[in-house]
Amino acid sequence: TQLLEQSPQFLSIQEGENLTVYCNSSSVFSSLQWYRQEPGEGPVLLVTVVTGGEVKKLKRLTFQFGDARKDSSLHITAAQPGDTGLYLCAALAYSGAGSYQLTFGKGTKLSVIP
Amino acid sequence: DAGVIQSPRHEVTEMGQEVTLRCKPISGHDYLFWYRQTMMRGLELLIYFNNNVPIDDSGMPEDRFSAKMPNASFSTLKIQPSEPRDSAVYFCASSRAHPLAGGQHTQYFGPGTRLTVL
Repeated sequence: TQLLEQSPQFLSIQEGENLTVYCNSSSVFSSLQWYRQEPGEGPVLLVTVVTGGEVKKLKRLTFQFGDARKDSSLHITAAQPGDTGLYLCAALAYSGAGSYQLTFGKGTKLSVIP
Repeated sequence: DAGVIQSPRHEVTEMGQEVTLRCKPISGHDYLFWYRQTMMRGLELLIYFNNNVPIDDSGMPEDRFSAKMPNASFSTLKIQPSEPRDSAVYFCASSRAHPLAGGQHTQYFGPGTRLTVL
């Protein structure tokens, strides 16, 4: 099983601040996904990055896939209370016997204080 | 469109009891996944189905766990007997494409069932 390390584990910031969270691994991935999970709900896909060095923007969120396709970052500009949630990265990993599964990091829990 | 539907939303039971969790995937989705989420271990895949057939159950913790998908619109995850360490939030997700579809692969998660085993 491939291991995805996310940092920081917890982050509490004031509304309007910028922040970056990270997802790292020693393995190379064909693609990597970011999800956001709000309390009491399931994760919701934000973006999929496929190409090394790729940058995708979703309003105030900027996602980057590392050149070597081993790491990714999520940058939020001018954070708002609505950004509060658990941010999970996930990558496809070979689990044996011809099967692939989505492996998740443990997430970064973000709190944006008004 | 209705999303993935799970029931019950909350379940509290005593150790040794049988627990059955239910899931209705999004219509037209050929893949169904069961996950378990805890603070310690994060989100872990337990098993997934393709066209109602179990493909990979390597994440199922032990024989106390079993999953079935009798038809394209219904799946169950059963724990018998349940133990306190099974306490977690269990998610069901569905997708239209195989995970190897890469950029086109989107899993849609249900709201989860929060299981507490006393």
